[in-house]
Amino acid sequence: EVQLVESGGGLVQPGGSLRLSCAASGFTFSSFAMTWVRQAPGKGLEWVAYISTGGSDFDYADSVKGRFTISRDNAKNSLFLQMDSLRAEDTALYFCAKHRGDYLNENYYYYMDVWGKGTTVTVSS
Amino acid sequence: EIVLTQSPGTLSLSPGETATLSCRASQSVISSYLAWYQHKPGQPPRLLIYGASTRATGIADRFRGSGSGTDFALTISRLEPEDYAVYYCQVFGSSPLYTFGQGTKLEIK
Repeated sequence: EVQLVESGGGLVQPGGSLRLSCAASGFTFSSFAMTWVRQAPGKGLEWVAYISTGGSDFDYADSVKGRFTISRDNAKNSLFLQMDSLRAEDTALYFCAKHRGDYLNENYYYYMDVWGKGTTVTVSS
Repeated sequence: EIVLTQSPGTLSLSPGETATLSCRASQSVISSYLAWYQHKPGQPPRLLIYGASTRATGIADRFRGSGSGTDFALTISRLEPEDYAVYYCQVFGSSPLYTFGQGTKLEIK
């Protein structure tokens, strides 16, 4: 069974740091790019970060650029999100998701086909 | 930056009816970059449609995606109790890499 399990969430003070993890199983982790998506309380989904299969390419939402760092360990089938200089507005449920970029019939298709259940981050004093 | 506007914000329908959810982009998007997700409280988002109209694995044919350019739609026929959820459209872009619509809540009437 394809599965993603996030961990590492918790309560942290503004300005603090937290490291989220996402354990992958049931698929060849190293063959797929990965993303983090978050959902603030009462709000919709917001893409946060992306990392390529080998970990050399990444991209971030403007709201977290310079504060968050995405990384991966393909040997351990794990994805990470290092969150520094946390703000109250970073409070959210954080999901990891498997990115798909498929080339079919002369078209590229991009989407997220598998999601974890999420881990909650609360930034508050 | 592409902005996706979903309408209506909330849709109240009875089981058995047909739901039509709209997703409008601020500029023309490549259809193969457009996806739809279903999200229920306490569960991870679930991929329904990718490429604007291709159903994901295991998704019932009651779910149909359509549209092109700036106007896309998700149609759910013969609503069942498990269909009541929040639905998001999403597009792959350049900056930001992914954009989601604000969501449409489908509730039981």
